[in-house]
Amino acid sequence: GENVEQHPSTLSVQEGDSAVIKCTYSDSASNYFPWYKQELGKGPQLIIDIRSNVGEKKDQRIAVTLNKTAKHFSLHITETQPEDSAVYFCAASRYNTDKLIFGTGTRLQVFP
Amino acid sequence: GAGVSQSPSNKVTEKGKDVELRCDPISGHTALYWYRQRLGQGLEFLIYFQGNSAPDKSGLPSDRFSAERTGESVSTLTIQRTQQEDSAVYLCASSQQGGNTQYFGPGTRLTVL
Repeated sequence: GENVEQHPSTLSVQEGDSAVIKCTYSDSASNYFPWYKQELGKGPQLIIDIRSNVGEKKDQRIAVTLNKTAKHFSLHITETQPEDSAVYFCAASRYNTDKLIFGTGTRLQVFP
Repeated sequence: GAGVSQSPSNKVTEKGKDVELRCDPISGHTALYWYRQRLGQGLEFLIYFQGNSAPDKSGLPSDRFSAERTGESVSTLTIQRTQQEDSAVYLCASSQQGGNTQYFGPGTRLTVL
């Protein structure tokens, strides 16, 4: 069935460094790839998304890249800050069905 | 505007009891989703409602789980004869018709003793 793998499971960086989280997906029909940030005790919040007709998208310190041939996509956070500390989830879906298949999450810790 | 709301925020119940969880989607959103998140894990899809179409129930783990939605508004997720393995955070999300972006509520933390 559909599957999304996410690595690493935990990531610790120094404030100001960059962080990269990688995901691979199995369903070649997937064409929508969002990233969510989840803080303790809260629901996931969308931070950036990308559709399959685009290879890269950037929003200030956050960027996402997509390689459809290899079926993988990555989240890049530059100039990390302590408030970036949270659990990040990647997900994939087909446009028509819309249900999201989530990765297992990455716990990011940014040390001051 | 108001986001997705869920109630209760926390629910503690005894094994074997039934529970009902409620979700109020963003006004005007035609699609509504339920997911389950076990401690320290990712989100598992449970069920999806889109307008008047038959719901996609492919993620429901057993026949003890069911969900209803009234028109394009409130949804309730019911778990009958709860088991300890049902303990999790149950998250609801909604999206606009034809839109992929799902907006999540804060979740209901269910603990089955």
